Amino acid sequence: DIQMTQSPSSLSASVGDSGTITCRASQNIGNYLNWYQQKPGQAPKLLIYASSSLKSGVPSRFSGSGSGTDFTLTISSLQPEDFASYYCQQSYTSPWTFGQGTKVEIK
Amino acid sequence: QVQLQESGPGLVKPSGTLSLTCAVSGGSITSSNWWSWVRQPPGKGLEWIGEIYHSGSTNYNPSLKSRVTISVDKSKNQFSLKLTSVTAADTAVYFCVRLKADYYGSETHFNFDSWGQGTPVTVSS
Repeated sequence: DIQMTQSPSSLSASVGDSGTITCRASQNIGNYLNWYQQKPGQAPKLLIYASSSLKSGVPSRFSGSGSGTDFTLTISSLQPEDFASYYCQQSYTSPWTFGQGTKVEIK
Repeated sequence: QVQLQESGPGLVKPSGTLSLTCAVSGGSITSSNWWSWVRQPPGKGLEWIGEIYHSGSTNYNPSLKSRVTISVDKSKNQFSLKLTSVTAADTAVYFCVRLKADYYGSETHFNFDSWGQGTPVTVSS
């Protein structure tokens, strides 16, 4: 199985700050990488697919980049509604696997 | 917009069988998508369980394959999960999810684009 490792596990930031989460795959996965946001008590929501494509309706302050084994999710100016957990997921090969998650908290 | 809704018992006894159903509305289960189950133990991350296509083709996570069966009922526009020989480690919120395929030239990219709200299942006597 492809292992996905996210860092940091938690991120403390203020409204208006930028935030960056990294995701590393245990092997080359090209750009087969998706990002999800999950708020407490809710299902995850797809934010970005194919490493850098923004899902329709997702604010443009979210962006993704990377290919191969190293990927990044950036939130350019954190808003109150962005404080949540974020997961990366590889779509290169089954079994589909997720990172362990990054919790973005208000400083 | 497609909507998914899980249903099933919230409490299952150890060594028993967990059975859940996902009703799909706002779209047909015979569309060109795969239909998946993902679970999340309390306070932990996400684990893909398996998926089914409307033809009946399935793929399962090797870590659960010996205990999992996913089936589809096209007449009811729903699909189901059975997990046998459950233990406390199977306690989790179970989500049904659409696995959408996007095509870019010769590449096919999959993503979990529509999720049910999730249903908590506790394994306890």
